[in-house]
Amino acid sequence: GAGVSQSPRYKVAKRGQDVALRCDPISGHVSLFWYQQALGQGPEFLTYFQNEAQLDKSGLPSDRFFAERPEGSVSTLKIQRTQQEDSAVYLCASSSRTGGVREQYFGPGTRLTVT
Amino acid sequence: DQQVKQNSPSLSVQEGRISILNCDYTNSMFDYFLWYKKYPAEGPTFLISISSIKDKNEDGRFTVFLNKSAKHLSLHIVPSQPGDSAVYFCAASGIYSSGSARQLTFGSGTQLTVLP
Repeated sequence: GAGVSQSPRYKVAKRGQDVALRCDPISGHVSLFWYQQALGQGPEFLTYFQNEAQLDKSGLPSDRFFAERPEGSVSTLKIQRTQQEDSAVYLCASSSRTGGVREQYFGPGTRLTVT
Repeated sequence: DQQVKQNSPSLSVQEGRISILNCDYTNSMFDYFLWYKKYPAEGPTFLISISSIKDKNEDGRFTVFLNKSAKHLSLHIVPSQPGDSAVYFCAASGIYSSGSARQLTFGSGTQLTVLP
């Protein structure tokens, strides 16, 4: 089973709580992306890693969002002091290419509900 | 400002007929386009792609057409099957000003229902 996995699949948080979402990319994939998908919308880019380097975080909506990939494989997206507008599905994707143009492989997502 | 638009939120087609899903984009920096298929509670699955140097790419029942002058692409599914019922996302990629990331910009999706 060599696909992208994410955990937890579902997370309910009370407003103000911190959450951490995990992504295990396909083994050997150097590129890793996080996306946020609101209900009825397409995924929106949050941040991009090439190995352990975070090369683009222009999509992170606020400084409450933080992502890391310390060893160039597993990545964690952390949201501090969650707000109701953070409720969405968070998707992780990986790709074998670094700068080239190829498809990304997505995990099943983590559905975050902030109450 | 939506850079990738899918103006039809839903489409119903009879089994065996052609399904045509449409997508428009505004950013002329996009040079690679993809279609993803999504079932409920799953992540998007790559379906087919096309580079801006081509105007057509075919893979089995799926064909993607690109009209650069109109900034329009379409996905044709022939013949349509009930198992094709899913949400289809159009996505685009390009060299951004940072020159680094090749993130995808998605449309809002079209729910395709193939009726038996």
